[in-house]
Amino acid sequence: DVKVTQSSRYLVKRTGEKVFLECVQDMDHENMFWYRQDPGLGLRLIYFSYDVKMKEKGDIPEGYSVSREKKERFSLILESASTNQTSMYLCASSLRLAGPYEQYFGPGTRLTVT
Amino acid sequence: AQSVTQLDSHVSVSEGTPVLLRCNYSSSYSPSLFWYVQHPNKGLQLLLKYTSAATLVKGINGFEAEFKKSETSFHLTKPSAHMSDAAEYFCVVTAGTGRRALTFGSGTRLQVQP
Repeated sequence: DVKVTQSSRYLVKRTGEKVFLECVQDMDHENMFWYRQDPGLGLRLIYFSYDVKMKEKGDIPEGYSVSREKKERFSLILESASTNQTSMYLCASSLRLAGPYEQYFGPGTRLTVT
Repeated sequence: AQSVTQLDSHVSVSEGTPVLLRCNYSSSYSPSLFWYVQHPNKGLQLLLKYTSAATLVKGINGFEAEFKKSETSFHLTKPSAHMSDAAEYFCVVTAGTGRRALTFGSGTRLQVQP
């Protein structure tokens, strides 16, 4: 079974702090994704990566950056956390990035910025 | 361009009655369509996917969905709801060529009353 793990289930940070969310997958997938999930808005793509050190912006990249130094690990960085970044963050991975590919999701990190 | 609209944000049914969750999509290319389910405090899990092989798609836990090109719809159904079906359901579309991300609907929360 594919396993996608996220470093924290719950996180509380202060405004202005630098925040790192970590995601690790164990299936040698090329592609990894970061989403945020807010009530009534579904999942919105922040960034995705299709190879080590390769990334593309999603629909809402502002205020975020990412890092992929190793194939299995994809990090989301909030350079200076703000209260409007309070949300559920979901990481996913997939073998392919074309055709009807399936994404495998981690359990999510609920981030609160105070 | 691609988009997906879930027509109901909340659906409530009684245990043992049919379930209908509605989804309409928009796409410039032949789409691939998916339904994902998210149980409370869990990551998303693939329920089923349409890949143009057959218009009626069967998924896990007794769910199925029918692709109707003329109506640009991909509604999710189940003949008899179970308490364990209570969750949030997301309709997802991807289409076109090359690297591309999935587009998620805003979600439908299904409540099952005893």
